[in-house]
Amino acid sequence: EADIYQTPRYLVIGTGKKITLECSQTMGHDKMYWYQQDPGMELHLIHYSYGVNSTEKGDLSSESTVSRIRTEHFPLTLESARPSHTSQYLCASSDWPREATYEQYFGPGTRLTVT
Amino acid sequence: LAKTTQPISMDSYEGQEVNITCSHNNIATNDYITWYQQFPSQGPRFIIQGYKTKVTNEVASLFIPADRKSSTLSLPRVSLSDTAVYYCLVGDKTSGTYKYIFGTGTRLKVLA
Repeated sequence: EADIYQTPRYLVIGTGKKITLECSQTMGHDKMYWYQQDPGMELHLIHYSYGVNSTEKGDLSSESTVSRIRTEHFPLTLESARPSHTSQYLCASSDWPREATYEQYFGPGTRLTVT
Repeated sequence: LAKTTQPISMDSYEGQEVNITCSHNNIATNDYITWYQQFPSQGPRFIIQGYKTKVTNEVASLFIPADRKSSTLSLPRVSLSDTAVYYCLVGDKTSGTYKYIFGTGTRLKVLA
């Protein structure tokens, strides 16, 4: 069973606040990802990392930023939250090519509501 | 990254075998085909991955024809708990990009 954690699970916050969504994995995976998903809609990759000090923007433009100072930790930050940021944020990690299959392990997600 | 096309939704009854077909006409030589399952308010979960012919594990089978332009996920004897969204993805394991594109998926509803 994958060990990837996200906190908080649910967050309701006012416009203009700075927020950080936490993601941690205990599997030692090099690759980590952030996806954004609106209810009933597809997942969109917004950030990814190949390892420590590596961060790349994904296919969907996002006002959020990420950092990767430690292998196990990949936090996502919104400097000034807006209602348009309301969504579910999913963190994932993978260990390819060390694993035989290219599998991404997903966390439970953070459901963010900006009022 | 190859684009995939799947049916938007499917209904089935408990105990039936469900086959979900995915089209990926532009699949590249190094691309692998992977299927994920997602329940509401949860992250996707890996089901199965293959390159060609047939792959089987404890939960599903994946059939890939010789031209690899499509693939079929087969779920034997589904139960109500198999109601979920199923995503077909193709990705290159050798390019170093490690990225997937999740499409809209297929919403499977299993009826009693």
